[in-house]
Amino acid sequence: GAGVSQSPSNKVTEKGKDVELRCDPISGHTALYWYRQSLGQGLEFLIYFQGNSAPDKSGLPSDRFSAERTGGSVSTLTIQRTQQEDSAVYLCASSLGGVAETQYFGPGTRLLVL
Amino acid sequence: TQLLEQSPQFLSIQEGENLTVYCNSSSVFSSLQWYRQEPGEGPVLLVTVVTGGEVKKLKRLTFQFGDARKDSSLHITAAQPGDTGLYLCAGAANNTDKLIFGTGTRLQVFP
Repeated sequence: GAGVSQSPSNKVTEKGKDVELRCDPISGHTALYWYRQSLGQGLEFLIYFQGNSAPDKSGLPSDRFSAERTGGSVSTLTIQRTQQEDSAVYLCASSLGGVAETQYFGPGTRLLVL
Repeated sequence: TQLLEQSPQFLSIQEGENLTVYCNSSSVFSSLQWYRQEPGEGPVLLVTVVTGGEVKKLKRLTFQFGDARKDSSLHITAAQPGDTGLYLCAGAANNTDKLIFGTGTRLQVFP
C-alpha cells in the first residue's frame, strides 16, 4: 500500500510569506506527527494528532506555527510570516497510535526561507 | 526535559570495520527505538527495545538497552557501504505518546 506522502517536496519562499505543508498519512493510521529536522540533525517534535483527541501542540516553536488535521486524515502545517530560521526539513509520520507503534515517515518537505 | 545525546556525531570508516554508536540520557525511557535515515528520505525504524538489559540482533546490527533504561548502543559488525546514513535513537517520553529523538550519528562507510 501507499506510504506517507508529503507535498511539496521542496519549497523556497521569501521571508515574511506564509507557507502550507501537506501530509497524507497511511490510510487507517489514527496518529499523525510533525517534526522539524535542521541540517541532518535529530528530529524536533512539533505537534501530534491522535484520533479525535485535542492535538498535543507542545512542540510548536512559536504562534506563527499551526497545524490542523481534517477528517482524521490529511494534515496541513502552516507557518505564517516565515523567518530564515524556519528553514529546515519538515517531516510527517503516521502510526496506528501510541508510542509503542511504529511511526512511518514521509520523505519530508525541504523549506528554504530567503 | 528529557534529552538523548548520541556519540559520536560523525563516523567515517572503511568497509569491514566494526563500530558502536551510543545513545545516552539522564532520564529513564519506557522504550527506545533506533532509526536509519538516508538522504532525501524519512527515517526508517530498525528496532524497538523495551526491557532493561535487552539485546536484539538484526543481521550485522546488535542493539542493547541499558539495564536502567537510560542508554542504548548500536553495534555494527563488518560495516558495508550500504550502512551509510544518519542513525537516530528515539525514546518514548514517560506518560506521553511522543518520541524524543537523539542528536544523530552520521555514518559514512567507504568501500
